[in-house]
Amino acid sequence: EVVLTQSPGTLSLSPGERATLSCRASQYISNNYLAWYQQKPGQAPRLLIYVASSRATGIPDRFSGSGSGTDFTLTISRLEPEDFAVYYCQQYGSSPITFGQGTRLEIK
Amino acid sequence: QLQLQESGPGLVKPSETLSLTCTVSGGSISSSSYYWGWVRQPPGKGLEWIGTIYYNGNTYYNPSLTSRLTMSVDTSRNLFSLKLNSVTAADTAVYYCATQPRFLEWLGWFDPWGQGTLVTVSS
Repeated sequence: EVVLTQSPGTLSLSPGERATLSCRASQYISNNYLAWYQQKPGQAPRLLIYVASSRATGIPDRFSGSGSGTDFTLTISRLEPEDFAVYYCQQYGSSPITFGQGTRLEIK
Repeated sequence: QLQLQESGPGLVKPSETLSLTCTVSGGSISSSSYYWGWVRQPPGKGLEWIGTIYYNGNTYYNPSLTSRLTMSVDTSRNLFSLKLNSVTAADTAVYYCATQPRFLEWLGWFDPWGQGTLVTVSS
């Protein structure tokens, strides 16, 4: 099973700043089969990024994904107030599908 | 645009069976373009993939749950279902159903998701 470790656990930033979230895999993820989700309280997760760097439909271009192999990054270029939430990575390169434990992005 | 809606009891007794249904609208569950998945989230915790099903009934389960899990699909009613038996308090969670685009066969991302339903296991 591929274990995904997200860091930091909590990130405190101000609107307008740049956010960099990390997701590290315990094994190589084939073909960069990694997705990122945003989850707000009381809501279902929302897909942001798939195949490591492709933005999902309707996702603003301030969200970008990068990385390969075992190290992946979600970057939010300029934080908007609505971006403060919990972010999860997910790998689907091998079974079972697994998720990271999440990074909480909070307002400083 | 696909929309998914979970339904089922919000309270299940320990050792009994948790049963949930996900009704799909805005598209056909028989589409060859999608798989259909379940993900759960214990209160205050992270996400766990439960299992995935295709319209033809092929299933793919998380090994940690496979001995207790049964998933099925009803193409006539455009829905798929989850049964988890011998539940304990550890199965208390928000259960989400979600669509998986057919990308690497059944392995893929989840989009869109249902709103989720909280199932509490308690006597």
